[in-house]
Amino acid sequence: SQQGEEDPQALSIQEGENATMNCSYKTSINNLQWYRQNSGRGLVHLILIRSNEREKHSGRLRVTLDTSKKSSSLLITASRAADTASYFCATGQAGTALIFGKGTTLSVSS
Amino acid sequence: DTGVSQDPRHKITKRGQNVTFRCDPISEHNRLYWYRQTLGQGPEFLTYFQNEAQLEKSRLLSDRFSAERPKGSFSTLEIQRTEQGDSAMYLCASSPPGTGNGEKLFFGSGTQLSVL
Repeated sequence: SQQGEEDPQALSIQEGENATMNCSYKTSINNLQWYRQNSGRGLVHLILIRSNEREKHSGRLRVTLDTSKKSSSLLITASRAADTASYFCATGQAGTALIFGKGTTLSVSS
Repeated sequence: DTGVSQDPRHKITKRGQNVTFRCDPISEHNRLYWYRQTLGQGPEFLTYFQNEAQLEKSRLLSDRFSAERPKGSFSTLEIQRTEQGDSAMYLCASSPPGTGNGEKLFFGSGTQLSVL
């Protein structure tokens, strides 16, 4: 089963623009994580935000979490062609393995 | 860290054949996970181990699937009597001790299975 649902499914932008993708989930969580996947490769962990946090930054990444709305957003600033990938949110709950959403495919053109 | 290693990277098999995949986690990572990912979807959880104990199995893991981690190090995932619907990327991930379930995972590059 998939708990998170990303929006939009696909996003195309120009280099230098910001990219925003959203994730909604259904049940209470301990944390929410974002992963990146390049075509045909494994997933790479980007950032983890805990349920008692509202915002977190890592380099060009900014993640927000609104537990009242059960939603999160990932902002990538000043996008580069190398950011082209699929991005997945994953929810962490006590006692269970991470559950992933269906992902957002980001295409950054130069 | 040498990273999570999976072998083979690609496997093509005929329907009805058995296949086995191997995963070597990052050394000293005590938790090991198997996920399956089909085109355009996110990874779906199959099973996980803490050391050599298999602690959780998804209902996606039919009787044709079996996973082992005999010495708490590498793991194997076997699919018996493969079906075309088994075609997918099989991903292995690990996490270190001291982290709970549902924490950051380190993924391998996956094994892409094609069943003809």
